Amino acid sequence: ETGVTQSPTHLIKTRGQQVTLRCSSQSGHNTVSWYQQALGQGPQFIFQYYREEENGRGNFPPRFSGLQFPNYSSELNVNALELDDSALYLCASSLSGGVTDTQYFGPGTRLTVL
Amino acid sequence: GQSLEQPSEVTAVEGAIVQINCTYQTSGFYGLSWYQQHDGGAPTFLSYNGLDGLEETGRFSSFLSRSDSYGYLLLQELQMKDSASYFCAVRDGMSGQNFVFGPGTRLSVLP
Repeated sequence: ETGVTQSPTHLIKTRGQQVTLRCSSQSGHNTVSWYQQALGQGPQFIFQYYREEENGRGNFPPRFSGLQFPNYSSELNVNALELDDSALYLCASSLSGGVTDTQYFGPGTRLTVL
Repeated sequence: GQSLEQPSEVTAVEGAIVQINCTYQTSGFYGLSWYQQHDGGAPTFLSYNGLDGLEETGRFSSFLSRSDSYGYLLLQELQMKDSASYFCAVRDGMSGQNFVFGPGTRLSVLP
């Protein structure tokens, strides 16, 4: 069974650019969530996708957008990057998105915005 | 809205027992989860409490009191490898899709 994978591992961008981060869910999981984790803080929920539809969103502006594909892999897109977007971006997959489902996290993508 | 509170740091010695508390305020409640995160690593699931009481998994136990909006994680027989950050988390929102993490407690285990 393959776990959650993310790419790239590290990324450096400049302010105003756009970035796409990728996530492959654990086999059999149809729900993926994305989180932003600043240094020394807990993960902040960005949004969740269930069967290719967004079904939950945290307090993030519209320049954070996502996609989930038929094979349940996912992308996080961030437009007009700001310095404060520098963080670890985590994706997590779960079996069906149910409230008692366990989330399995990927290793994350470290984004640095200069 | 929702908020969770945890102590920022806890220090203990190998072999000891440590308790990490979590209080929460949510508009809905769908259970309390605990995650462990080592430096540079991904959060990993430790336990979930949907109902009041104690859940035990090996050296780790977790407790929930819904009437007090309070839970704790109990780590027994501490080992050096337990040094990590520990997060409590709740689901919130209209139907529980929003997953909210606490600020985290950094546990340092000393020899």
